[in-house]
Amino acid sequence: DAKTTQPPSMDCAEGRAANLPCNHSTISGNEYVYWYRQIHSQGPQYIIHGLKNNETNEMASLIITEDRKSSTLILPHATLRDTAVYYCIVRVAYDFNKFYFGSGTKLNVKP
Amino acid sequence: DGGITQSPKYLFRKEGQNVTLSCEQNLNHDAMYWYRQDPGQGLRLIYYSQIVNDFQKGDIAEGYSVSREKKESFPLTVTSAQKNPTAFYLCASSIWDSFGEDGYTFGSGTRLTVV
Repeated sequence: DAKTTQPPSMDCAEGRAANLPCNHSTISGNEYVYWYRQIHSQGPQYIIHGLKNNETNEMASLIITEDRKSSTLILPHATLRDTAVYYCIVRVAYDFNKFYFGSGTKLNVKP
Repeated sequence: DGGITQSPKYLFRKEGQNVTLSCEQNLNHDAMYWYRQDPGQGLRLIYYSQIVNDFQKGDIAEGYSVSREKKESFPLTVTSAQKNPTAFYLCASSIWDSFGEDGYTFGSGTRLTVV
């Protein structure tokens, strides 16, 4: 399974866009990119996922590079409630025992 | 509303005692999972179950046991054989057959402390 690399922490001003990078240079063609976030002492919350096209939903946008070796999660207008640990995960659909959560990126949204 | 319920939220256990963590889902999901999270760390898979009466070991199954007698329920027992059981435990569920749209959903977790 592909592994991911994320910066351990990032800061963002409230109201600005938060851009969280993720490297997954060994990703396979059938592996999806997922993003989850975890607010302190709660279960991880699904944000967005994609295979190769850019995706957008009510929470965020996912930009995947053409070679699929990296991606960026964009929170367009960060609020204090977006302070959390953000996990980038790559996995194959149907391979449910290969959903690896690393240490993620701690996003600190500051007033 | 559909979701996953874990109980209790906080649990204290004396050394040498077994303890069972509850996980119930009403999402009609086929697969269920248990993860362990230590402070500042990511999640590690303990056990998972694809269907009723079947389950598989994850990466750190030693000292844990599970059962899957009903589709909705997947309790985890932390046995006395688990040397360092203090951790945050998360249950999750998902649809089994999908193309990435598997609705992987987590519960709110149980924090277990050995005293």
